[in-house]
Amino acid sequence: RKEVEQDPGPFNVPEGATVAFNCTYSNSASQSFFWYRQDCRKEPKLLMSVYSSGNEDGRFTAQLNRASQYISLLIRDSKLSDSATYLCVVNRGYSTLTFGKGTMLLVSP
Amino acid sequence: NAGVTQTPKFQVLKTGQSMTLQCAQDMNHNSMYWYRQDPGMGLRLIYYSASEGTTDKGEVPNGYNVSRLNKREFSLRLESAAPSQTSVYFCASSEGGNWSEAFFGQGTRLTVV
Repeated sequence: RKEVEQDPGPFNVPEGATVAFNCTYSNSASQSFFWYRQDCRKEPKLLMSVYSSGNEDGRFTAQLNRASQYISLLIRDSKLSDSATYLCVVNRGYSTLTFGKGTMLLVSP
Repeated sequence: NAGVTQTPKFQVLKTGQSMTLQCAQDMNHNSMYWYRQDPGMGLRLIYYSASEGTTDKGEVPNGYNVSRLNKREFSLRLESAAPSQTSVYFCASSEGGNWSEAFFGQGTRLTVV
């Protein structure tokens, strides 16, 4: 089993749609969790951290289920500018981040 | 505010040539990383340095060496480039610790022919 697995995508959605990304991780000792965003031919950038209680940042909601080793990201009211690849990231400790392969989102007019 | 700076941005090498990718950060971060990104493979950790003076292997260290020159700089060396090392290389840095954000450089697109 891969250490971090994501939906392969791509997800094609119209503007205004709600879209959800899923991610599972295999190492139960993982310490912290994140979603990063990567635009085409650009570097990854932090979108949001994922806390055990769940957290929201505007149109974005992240959830963590440690028992199921599952992380999710919900995007409401999708915008054209949300088109990007979304990377699920797990910190195993010792400052090392492990990335999923990413899920591409394409938002169309 | 430069953040993480990588050089060069693009490079073409012949098989067997050597080169060093340079990375510098101006955020006084403790930890620095080198990743490679290949289509369908995601970002994979090559080497990391949790703090100045230490380096450790990541998931795919074979064919690479690193040097943490000082707190700011972390270089990646390919001693004898192979076509399998054609990739996009990203340097990153963070304060260290479990909830630290990693900041990435703009990447180096390396082609080995």
